[in-house]
Amino acid sequence: GQNIDQPTEMTATEGAIVQINCTYQTSGFNGLFWYQQHAGEAPTFLSYNVLDGLEEKGRFSSFLSRSKGYSYLLLKELQMKDSASYLCAVRDQKGFQKLVFGTGTRLLVSP
Amino acid sequence: NAGVTQTPKFRVLKTGQSMTLLCAQDMNHEYMYWYRQDPGMGLRLIHYSVGEGTTAKGEVPDGYNVSRLKKQNFLLGLESAAPSQTSVYFCASSLRDRAEKLFFGSGTQLSVL
Repeated sequence: GQNIDQPTEMTATEGAIVQINCTYQTSGFNGLFWYQQHAGEAPTFLSYNVLDGLEEKGRFSSFLSRSKGYSYLLLKELQMKDSASYLCAVRDQKGFQKLVFGTGTRLLVSP
Repeated sequence: NAGVTQTPKFRVLKTGQSMTLLCAQDMNHEYMYWYRQDPGMGLRLIHYSVGEGTTAKGEVPDGYNVSRLKKQNFLLGLESAAPSQTSVYFCASSLRDRAEKLFFGSGTQLSVL
């Protein structure tokens, strides 16, 4: 089976740093994605990891450890506009490489 | 520069009615997908297509049908709507490469009474 776990909700303060964790158990692994979704809007791509290590993109970084089935999304210098849901998704290897999404982490940034 | 366009944005159906959701992309993407998003469930794949004229079942295909007659369009049909199909539906597309990200449409809020 496939299982992706993320915290349901997190809160943080403007200007702070927050780390959103994602653990996964899938039948295969061929990459992990993070998407951002503001309330009432479509998900938008943030990052992609397929090899172990840290990928940095501006204020956002994503880390992957394949041996531990673990990833995190790090958001620095938080802004109010970062209040959104963050979706972890894993691409498996069985047949067509479908994305399996976690339930998402709702992040609330307060002043 | 439209990307992925879904219509309609909102729809209310009565149980047993039928409808079709339309998805169009102008990025020449090979792959297209239909997802549904429910509270506490995350995005779940309904059907997908790897090219014009092809369709395949995803994780939750029952009660839905799809067609991909043209590369740029992917239609999702509900033949006899049920309250369990109340959800937000997202269409998405991507290039063929395994590392390619999904581009999502703006979503359709469907309520079945």
